[in-house]
Amino acid sequence: DGGITQSPKYLFRKEGQNVTLSCEQNLNHDAMYWYRQDPGQGLRLIYYSQIVNDFQKGDIAEGYSVSREKKESFPLTVTSAQKNPTAFYLCASSILGPNIQYFGAGTRLSVL
Amino acid sequence: RKEVEQDPGPFNVPEGATVAFNCTYSNSASQSFFWYRQDCRKEPKLLMSVYSSGNEDGRFTAQLNRASQYISLLIRDSKLSDSATYLCVVGDGGATNKLIFGTGTLLAVQP
Repeated sequence: DGGITQSPKYLFRKEGQNVTLSCEQNLNHDAMYWYRQDPGQGLRLIYYSQIVNDFQKGDIAEGYSVSREKKESFPLTVTSAQKNPTAFYLCASSILGPNIQYFGAGTRLSVL
Repeated sequence: RKEVEQDPGPFNVPEGATVAFNCTYSNSASQSFFWYRQDCRKEPKLLMSVYSSGNEDGRFTAQLNRASQYISLLIRDSKLSDSATYLCVVGDGGATNKLIFGTGTLLAVQP
């Protein structure tokens, strides 16, 4: 099945720990995105990438890092510098240009 | 002013009712417009794109007014399964495909 796979579905982070969220797509999309959703708020863009080995900061990149070593994969690391990481994290992909973005099922991150 | 503004609701309507949602956006350079649907604790899914001429998909009709920077979604003959949050989404008008998401309008269809 074509689509976007995020893992894990639930993740718990201890104080001072870095955690990595996985996002894989087999849609052959060039562009990939990471969003954060908090209750009662819209999706906010963390990072995006339009091509392998290149990515740009979104609106709330502080405390996060990404890599894009393969077209299919765009992992997000939530570092210990992110003081309020509890949220629903969504990965999306699209073809280049002003086009529809397709979402993975998301990862819920909580702090222990 | 928020870039994309929606009434958060909730809109509580009986089955079979017609309901309309509105959305305004601030960037006059925006060129792409969408309505997404998000069920509780799930990912957003595309409901429909919105075109300048207006477009319809079954019970759903979307309209765009560029002069007023206003987008609408009309749902006819509401079903229980239509209960969800509806997100108004607007392209940022730049070369990249950055989308700006509204906070969503909650619809609850009652039996």
